[in-house]
Amino acid sequence: AQSVTQLDSHVSVSEGTPVLLRCNYSSSYSPSLFWYVQHPNKGLQLLLKYTSAATLVKGINGFEAEFKKSETSFHLTKPSAHMSDAAEYFCVVSGISGGSNYKLTFGKGTLLTVNP
Amino acid sequence: DADVTQTPRNRITKTGKRIMLECSQTKGHDRMYWYRQDPGLGLRLIYYSFDVKDINKGEISDGYSVSRQAQAKFSLSLESAIPNQTALYFCATSDLPPSTDTQYFGPGTRLTVL
Repeated sequence: AQSVTQLDSHVSVSEGTPVLLRCNYSSSYSPSLFWYVQHPNKGLQLLLKYTSAATLVKGINGFEAEFKKSETSFHLTKPSAHMSDAAEYFCVVSGISGGSNYKLTFGKGTLLTVNP
Repeated sequence: DADVTQTPRNRITKTGKRIMLECSQTKGHDRMYWYRQDPGLGLRLIYYSFDVKDINKGEISDGYSVSRQAQAKFSLSLESAIPNQTALYFCATSDLPPSTDTQYFGPGTRLTVL
């Protein structure tokens, strides 16, 4: 069984300040972990993916996430928020569920608001 | 980008009507998925297909059916729509293992059932 918990449903930051979106996961296997972003009225875009190659993963638009196995966390960060970062962010865990069926489990999302 | 397209993008219908949502992809992926998104619930899997002859139920398949017409096309039908099927619906695709766990999403179809 696997699950993912996004610890904040809403995060509000000022433009130019750091962003931290928190995600904890549980998985019976060595999981793959993802962050997706959804801008208003848009589909989901892959931000970054962790697959055990390196614990610090760099994604698009200056985002990065660090995999911490001891804490079962995969928090998303960005040093300086931009207005265009305002969106909903989803943490996703992938694990094998029967044969080669990779099951994705989505968190409930964190809405990021960026204030001018 | 337009690798995964969905039609229509928005649809308003009435209770009891039959609705079909369509998904097409140009990524050449064998695996396709249908999800629904409800506020505060994330995405939940409705159906998935590993190829034209392999279709499987997801966690919330009741009230839905699917058709995989070709490798590139995967349709979702609501035989008799009800108001609690009002949601944002996403189609997604993925490649074969070991790349299967990365899914690529369409822009979504917003469905309202009155």
